[in-house]
Amino acid sequence: DGGITQSPKYLFRKEGQNVTLSCEQNLNHDAMYWYRQDPGQGLRLIYYSQIVNDFQKGDIAEGYSVSREKKESFPLTVTSAQKNPTAFYLCASTPKAADYGYTFGSGTRLTVV
Amino acid sequence: QKEVEQDPGPLSVPEGAIVSLNCTYSNSAFQYFMWYRQYSRKGPELLMYTYSSGNKEDGRFTAQVDKSSKYISLFIRDSQPSDSATYLCFLTDSWGKLQFGAGTQVVVTP
Repeated sequence: DGGITQSPKYLFRKEGQNVTLSCEQNLNHDAMYWYRQDPGQGLRLIYYSQIVNDFQKGDIAEGYSVSREKKESFPLTVTSAQKNPTAFYLCASTPKAADYGYTFGSGTRLTVV
Repeated sequence: QKEVEQDPGPLSVPEGAIVSLNCTYSNSAFQYFMWYRQYSRKGPELLMYTYSSGNKEDGRFTAQVDKSSKYISLFIRDSQPSDSATYLCFLTDSWGKLQFGAGTQVVVTP
């Protein structure tokens, strides 16, 4: 079955440490997105990529980095510069940019310890 | 003012009741309207999407769009405890700009 796989499901980060969240899709979608979800705040866009080797900052990109070397993969690195990284991170994809059919992964819960 | 407003709830209803959810928006450029359901610690899943004003029905779910009032609704008939989740409205324009509500938590009690 096609879908988006995010791993790990739970991740713990020490202060000052960089961590990478994995997002893989087998839907042959061109566009991929990373969102952060905090209680009561809904979804906020971190980064998005419309095509391989290209990505743009979203509304809250500071302290995060991404790469898009393969169509299927869009990993997100949470760097030590992100001061409040504890959140639920969601990866999503659409068949092409400016499409409306979002498919979401099951999310990664990141906690700073 | 946020571009999309959605009451966070929680909205508690007894099993079998009709659940009524809504979002209001300010940007008339939004053309696609979607409702997603999100269970705790899971990613959102698409329930319904619609393009035009009017009603769209799918089983127990009815999505309603009123572009003139900038108001969208989702109705869940014969609600079940398994409908307990957070419901988010998503809106996009023709350029792909996406906005969404913060989500309404629904609790259906047996």
